[in-house]
Amino acid sequence: DTGVSQNPRHKITKRGQNVTFRCDPISEHNRLYWYRQTLGQGPEFLTYFQNEAQLEKSRLLSDRFSAERPKGSFSTLEIQRTEQGDSAMYLCASSPPRPGMRSEAFFGQGTRLTVV
Amino acid sequence: GESVGLHLPTLSVQEGDNSIINCAYSNSASDYFIWYKQESGKGPQFIIDIRSNMDKRQGQRVTVLLNKTVKHLSLQIAATQPGDSAVYFCAENKDYGGATNKLIFGTGTLLAVQP
Repeated sequence: DTGVSQNPRHKITKRGQNVTFRCDPISEHNRLYWYRQTLGQGPEFLTYFQNEAQLEKSRLLSDRFSAERPKGSFSTLEIQRTEQGDSAMYLCASSPPRPGMRSEAFFGQGTRLTVV
Repeated sequence: GESVGLHLPTLSVQEGDNSIINCAYSNSASDYFIWYKQESGKGPQFIIDIRSNMDKRQGQRVTVLLNKTVKHLSLQIAATQPGDSAVYFCAENKDYGGATNKLIFGTGTLLAVQP
């Protein structure tokens, strides 16, 4: 499968614990995005990388959230001191470099986080 | 605030019929719109897109219509099949020229195809 890969698919954690998710984008896609989706809602933009640079962060991304893309390839999203409100599907998407043109975003299967 | 929303949360159609899913957006500055399909347990899948300088675009069995006057977007699916059953989201992108794909999604419409 050469699509966007996310791990783990499911994560159950106790409130207060830290969790980390990983996203492997499609090869050679220089743009990578994180979204959060709660049940019955559309995905909400969290943050965006172009290569290794984090260019934009939503105000939804509180101080407990941090995302990295150290080598411009895979990315990690860490949530510290998880709260029940963090329970959601965390989606990663990537898109190829097409300067001046719309480039389609390809989404992964997501990581379902449940905080108990 | 700016938002993208859907008129109907659930749409039930008979197999073979045409489906129309509607969406309203509020930001007149948006210049690019996309429809995504999301099946249970999967990530959103791109269906079709349209730029604000167009009012209609056709794909395979799907057509997107854009009415900028009333800020309305619709997705038409011809000869709906059971495999079309999913949640459909419209999304807007305010950064077409930069191609950053920062998307604002609506709530979604569940399309249920009855055999």
